[in-house]
Amino acid sequence: QKEVEQNSGPLSVPEGAIASLNCTYSDRVSQSFFWYRQYSGKSPELIMSIYSNGDKEDGRFTAQLNKASQYVSLLIRDSQPSDSATYLCAAPGAGTALIFGKGTTLSVSS
Amino acid sequence: GAVVSQHPSRVICKSGTSVKIECRSLDFQATTMFWYRQFPKQSLMLMATSNEGSKATYEQGVEKDKFLINHASLTLSTLTVTSAHPEDSSFYICSARRGGGAEDTQYFGPGTRLTVL
Repeated sequence: QKEVEQNSGPLSVPEGAIASLNCTYSDRVSQSFFWYRQYSGKSPELIMSIYSNGDKEDGRFTAQLNKASQYVSLLIRDSQPSDSATYLCAAPGAGTALIFGKGTTLSVSS
Repeated sequence: GAVVSQHPSRVICKSGTSVKIECRSLDFQATTMFWYRQFPKQSLMLMATSNEGSKATYEQGVEKDKFLINHASLTLSTLTVTSAHPEDSSFYICSARRGGGAEDTQYFGPGTRLTVL
């Protein structure tokens, strides 16, 4: 069965630091990967998608994909307290549904 | 970005009643929508995959007669919790799949918080 693994955290970083969130996946044929942010009591919000090896940058967020190592990460530069949330990594599962990791809780202290 | 709405955002009902939750993709057509449930401090749990014009596919352990799903159009899927009981109290979230091929993406609705008394 396909799996997506994340460290549950909590990951604590000071304001202004770089937060690094990691995710591994079991299916070598997965072609697309997604990072969602979920604030407490809210639904997940898509923040990044990545389909090719290497880096993809969007503002303060950089997603990194290494298909050979089956590893995808999310870097958040200049972390802000408003970035405090649970970050979910996802990859396609069987059929059309995404498989989600359990999420990493990030806490940014001011 | 793509917009997915859900209605109602919050519902409180008595045990034994049925509750219908609507999920709409507002600016794109979604041949596939998904229904999730999330209990406090727990992970998202996929309940079922809803395909327009066909029967939903339910995950193992999810009662299809209790959680009725209808996907009557390319922009609307509904989840009906029949004969709700307190243990059905949860945060129900839908998502809609946009696009196809390698770059399709899922967008989530804002969720519906169900409380069964």
